[in-house]
Amino acid sequence: QKEVEQNSGPLSVPEGAIASLNCTYSDRGSQSFFWYRQYSGKSPELIMFIYSNGDKEDGRFTAQLNKASQYVSLLIRDSQPSDSATYLCAVNKETGNTPLVFGKGTRLSVIA
Amino acid sequence: ETGVTQTPRHLVMGMTNKKSLKCEQHLGHNAMYWYKQSAKKPLELMFVYSLEERVENNSVPSRFSPECPNSSHLFLHLHTLQPEDSALYLCASSQDRDTLFINYGYTFGSGTRLTVV
Repeated sequence: QKEVEQNSGPLSVPEGAIASLNCTYSDRGSQSFFWYRQYSGKSPELIMFIYSNGDKEDGRFTAQLNKASQYVSLLIRDSQPSDSATYLCAVNKETGNTPLVFGKGTRLSVIA
Repeated sequence: ETGVTQTPRHLVMGMTNKKSLKCEQHLGHNAMYWYKQSAKKPLELMFVYSLEERVENNSVPSRFSPECPNSSHLFLHLHTLQPEDSALYLCASSQDRDTLFINYGYTFGSGTRLTVV
């Protein structure tokens, strides 16, 4: 079983809709969860992180974490064409500064 | 200058060449990383330096050799590479915290696009 799994997509949504990106992880000891956005030809940039079960909102972005189900998601409300990118889920297993494990990423395409 | 800077942005090298990638961070972080990103694969961790000490070498071939002279600089020395080593090489930094569980994630550099011919 892969450590961090994401559907590679592409996920296509119309402009203004909600985009829902999902990620599952295998290690129950995982503590910290991150979403990175990567535009084509660019490096990943951090957009959200979450540690506790439940929802965390930041502007149009909401991260949701369910540790019992080993599932983390990212919702993007009012999707814009500029949100079109690959979204990487990353997990770190323990407290402190252990290396992040990344999923392959989900490519999102927002259609104007 | 702020953030994480990588040079060069693009590099084409022959299999017999020796070259080095450079990474510099201006964030006051004390941990630095090399990742390899190939098409349709997850980011692969190569090396981790925490407080200038290598703490992880993720089974990387010896033709890749890292160097971390201080907490702000990280190098990746390359020699006798293979065409399958062509990829985007990303440097990242973070703040290593001994206490509590807070990890604010990494800041990535722009990457070096490496082509081995």
